[in-house]
Amino acid sequence: GAGVSQSPSNKVTEKGKDVELRCDPISGHTALYWYRQSLGQGLEFLIYFQGNSAPDKSGLPSDRFSAERTGGSVSTLTIQRTQQEDSAVYLCASSSGPWGEQFFGPGTRLTVL
Amino acid sequence: AQKITQTQPGMFVQEKEAVTLDCTYDTSDQSYGLFWYKQPSSGEMIFLIYQGSYDEQNATEGRYSLNFQKARKSANLVISASQLGDSAMYFCALSPGSNFGNEKLTFGTGTRLTIIP
Repeated sequence: GAGVSQSPSNKVTEKGKDVELRCDPISGHTALYWYRQSLGQGLEFLIYFQGNSAPDKSGLPSDRFSAERTGGSVSTLTIQRTQQEDSAVYLCASSSGPWGEQFFGPGTRLTVL
Repeated sequence: AQKITQTQPGMFVQEKEAVTLDCTYDTSDQSYGLFWYKQPSSGEMIFLIYQGSYDEQNATEGRYSLNFQKARKSANLVISASQLGDSAMYFCALSPGSNFGNEKLTFGTGTRLTIIP
C-alpha cells in the first residue's frame, strides 16, 4: 500500500508480558517516528530514526521500552514486562526526511490487563 | 522545554460557520515550526497546515488558515465554512526547527470539534 501500515491493529496482553508492535513506513521515507496516545490525550513522542544516524530515544518512558529499525525500513517497538499504564494507542509516522511532513499510520491499540 | 496549550476541550459549531481553534505555545528556540493535525474518529492523524517561525505570512491551505501571532505565542487554526466532515479532534503541535523541520513534535491535548447540521 501507499501509506504507513502498523500491526497488529489491536493487542490485548496480560501484565508482565512482552509485546512487539510493528511499523512499515512509506517506501523511501528515511525518517520514522513512534508516538504514544493515551486516552483523551495528545501524542507523546517516544523515539525517532533518521537514516543511518543513531536514533533519538529521549522520549522513551523507561528502559522497558526499546525500538529498532532494520534495513532502514521496518521498525519494531518492544515493550517488556508490560504494565497497565502502558495501555494506549501507539502511532508510527514516517517522512521523507527531517524536513518533510509526517505521515501517520492507523496505530496499534494496546490494552494491558 | 517545549509546551503546547489547547484550552478548548470541546466546541460545537453550526455548519457553514467559521470556527477558530486556539493554540498557544512556549519554546525557548528561535527557530521552530507549528503544525495542526486532524484526527477523525477512525484514528488516523491527518496533516492540515504548517507555519514556520520565520514565515511572515500566515499559512493557508484551502479552508484552513493559521492565525500566527508570534509576540503572543499563539497559532490559532481557522476553518472557514465548516462542514459536517470537519467533526474530529484537532491537535496543535510544535517542532524544534523551522523550514518544515520535524523531529520530535510536541502535541497539545486537542480540541474536539463537532459540527451541527
